[in-house]
Amino acid sequence: AQSVAQPEDQVNVAEGNPLTVKCTYSVSGNPYLFWYVQYPNRGLQFLLKYITGDNLVKGSYGFEAEFNKSQTSFHLKKPSALVSDSALYFCAVRGGLEGYQKVTFGTGTKLQVIP
Amino acid sequence: AAGVIQSPRHLIKEKRETATLKCYPIPRHDTVYWYQQGPGQDPQFLISFYEKMQSDKGSIPDRFSAQQFSDYHSELNMSSLELGDSALYFCASRQRGGMNTEAFFGQGTRLTVV
Repeated sequence: AQSVAQPEDQVNVAEGNPLTVKCTYSVSGNPYLFWYVQYPNRGLQFLLKYITGDNLVKGSYGFEAEFNKSQTSFHLKKPSALVSDSALYFCAVRGGLEGYQKVTFGTGTKLQVIP
Repeated sequence: AAGVIQSPRHLIKEKRETATLKCYPIPRHDTVYWYQQGPGQDPQFLISFYEKMQSDKGSIPDRFSAQQFSDYHSELNMSSLELGDSALYFCASRQRGGMNTEAFFGQGTRLTVV
């Protein structure tokens, strides 16, 4: 079964500092990895994805993520955090040998950017 | 650009009542997913459809059923509602044709069971 782990319930970072939100995954076969962001009382918004190719993926709002196959990780990063980045971030995986259509989400990490 | 439309946005029902949630996917998207997100929880996969056929099944209770219609919209039917069914229900759509396509989510239907 495929799974995603986000080890941090919350990440606090000062505005202007770099941020990292961690994600590790487990899946049979090639993973398709995604990051979504959820603002309060809103739906999930797609940020970026890794399918194949370059391990560093760039997405919306200045976010990027690095795929590391040996560490089965897909950490979300941003060089300089904004207060408006404060939200709930979900890592997700789709792929593998079973149920390749289903997207499995991590438990989410609340990002708090402090002014 | 058109997005995934869910209706209603909010729904309040009493215990043991029934509810129907609707999802209209992005045009030309042939795959629909339903997720349930409880308070402070991550979205849990319920069920998915491709070309009007169920394609995958997750933690959907037997009291719930769903279907995808010829125009690709989908409905989630929930019967004998329980307090624990109170949650945000998301629908997502995707064009299955490519493995590298992402799912797009609707705004969700917030169901409150009282």
